[in-house]
Amino acid sequence: DQQVKQNSPSLSVQEGRISILNCDYTNSMFDYFLWYKKYPAEGPTFLISISSIKDKNEDGRFTVFLNKSAKHLSLHIVPSQPGDSAVYFCDKRQLTFGSGTQLTVLP
Amino acid sequence: NAGVTQTPKFRILKIGQSMTLQCTQDMNHNYMYWYRQDPGMGLKLIYYSVGAGITDKGEVPNGYNVSRSTTEDFPLRLELAAPSQTSVYFCASSFIPGARGNTIYFGEGSWLTVV
Repeated sequence: DQQVKQNSPSLSVQEGRISILNCDYTNSMFDYFLWYKKYPAEGPTFLISISSIKDKNEDGRFTVFLNKSAKHLSLHIVPSQPGDSAVYFCDKRQLTFGSGTQLTVLP
Repeated sequence: NAGVTQTPKFRILKIGQSMTLQCTQDMNHNYMYWYRQDPGMGLKLIYYSVGAGITDKGEVPNGYNVSRSTTEDFPLRLELAAPSQTSVYFCASSFIPGARGNTIYFGEGSWLTVV
C-alpha cells in the first residue's frame, strides 16, 4: 500500500513561471509532510515541511499547500529558476517517500 | 561543520560477502535513518533509530542489520550480499520529526553494486 504518490514523473516550466508539484497521500489523520530536492549523485536536501494542523507553509520562493479533504499536497515554486531543475520528492514523517518528479526549468 | 558523513562512497561486493556502511553525524540528532534508492524510484526506509540503543525496522529491512550504540553513529550491516541489494544508500539524521524548526540532513550517498 503506497501511502505517498507522485503521479507526474516529470514537469517542464519556463524560467520565471510557477512550478507546481503534486503529491497524494493515504491513511493519515494527523501527520507531517516534507518536500526535498535532489540533484544527481547527491543526497536529498530538505526544502519545506507542513504539519496537518496547517493548510499552508511558506519559505521564500517555496510554498506548500495541504488539502486534507482531498489528501493532497502541492509544492509551488515562484518564480522558477534554472537551478531549481532537480528531482523533487514528497515524504510523510521522514518514513514514506513518493517516487519523485523531475522538474526542468527552461531558460 | 561535517553534518552527515557516509562511508564508503562506492563499493563493489561479490554475492555472499558482507560489509558495513558507516554513518556519523555531528549535530547531536536523536533520529537517524537508512534509506535505499533504486533507479527511478523514491527512497525506501530500511531502518531507523530514535536514540542510542533503540532501532526499528522500516519498509525494506530484510538482508540488513543496524546498531546504535552512540548518538553519533548508525552503521548499516549487509550480511550475505545479494544482487537485489545493488542500490544507492542514504543515511540521514534529524531532531524530532514535526518539531518546530526541525530539518533532516542527508549524507551524500553510498553506491553499492553486488555482482
